[in-house]
Amino acid sequence: DAGVIQSPRHEVTEMGQEVTLRCKPISGHDYLFWYRQTMMRGLELLIYFNNNVPIDDSGMPEDRFSAKMPNASFSTLKIQPSEPRDSAVYFCASSLRGGGETQYFGPGTRLLVL
Amino acid sequence: SQQGEEDPQALSIQEGENATMNCSYKTSINNLQWYRQNSGRGLVHLILIRSNEREKHSGRLRVTLDTSKKSSSLLITASRAADTASYFCATNNNAGNMLTFGGGTRLMVKP
Repeated sequence: DAGVIQSPRHEVTEMGQEVTLRCKPISGHDYLFWYRQTMMRGLELLIYFNNNVPIDDSGMPEDRFSAKMPNASFSTLKIQPSEPRDSAVYFCASSLRGGGETQYFGPGTRLLVL
Repeated sequence: SQQGEEDPQALSIQEGENATMNCSYKTSINNLQWYRQNSGRGLVHLILIRSNEREKHSGRLRVTLDTSKKSSSLLITASRAADTASYFCATNNNAGNMLTFGGGTRLMVKP
């Protein structure tokens, strides 16, 4: 199994630009999670999906952030417009079932907004 | 505030020694998990212990859970340089599908 795939692995952009992060979960996993990791705030859950439907987006910091899951094998996290404080590592994770079962993480996208 | 808080924040030991990390949490849980993160990588699941379990083993890993004290410990025996990483506990409360991660313990194992 290829595991969770994320792209790009690194992204450097200028303030005000749109950023799109991509994730392919493990095939057959019904849950997909987007996290953000920073030194100051640790690992924060942004949003999660069940069967492609957003269930809880209370962790999305503001309206500049949006996430979609058009099908079971693809999700995007978009930041528009980006700001320097969005610089972080963004992880996607998937799990077979809900109920807080094991999550499988992708390698992350390291985002730097100048 | 975070549900899980690891202690210590950083730990440095010699190869061959045992490493113990602790996690405290605030609310009732369904399960508690430990993850490892190598520098620049994603998190890797190590072990899951359910609220009705007290101890679990996996290879050189031993996890204990004390629900009365709302705490867990992760013991790595006979540590190796390759164990150098950050270790996170994550809790799932009784209400839903999410995990709440602690701030992590940075472990350095010196060869």
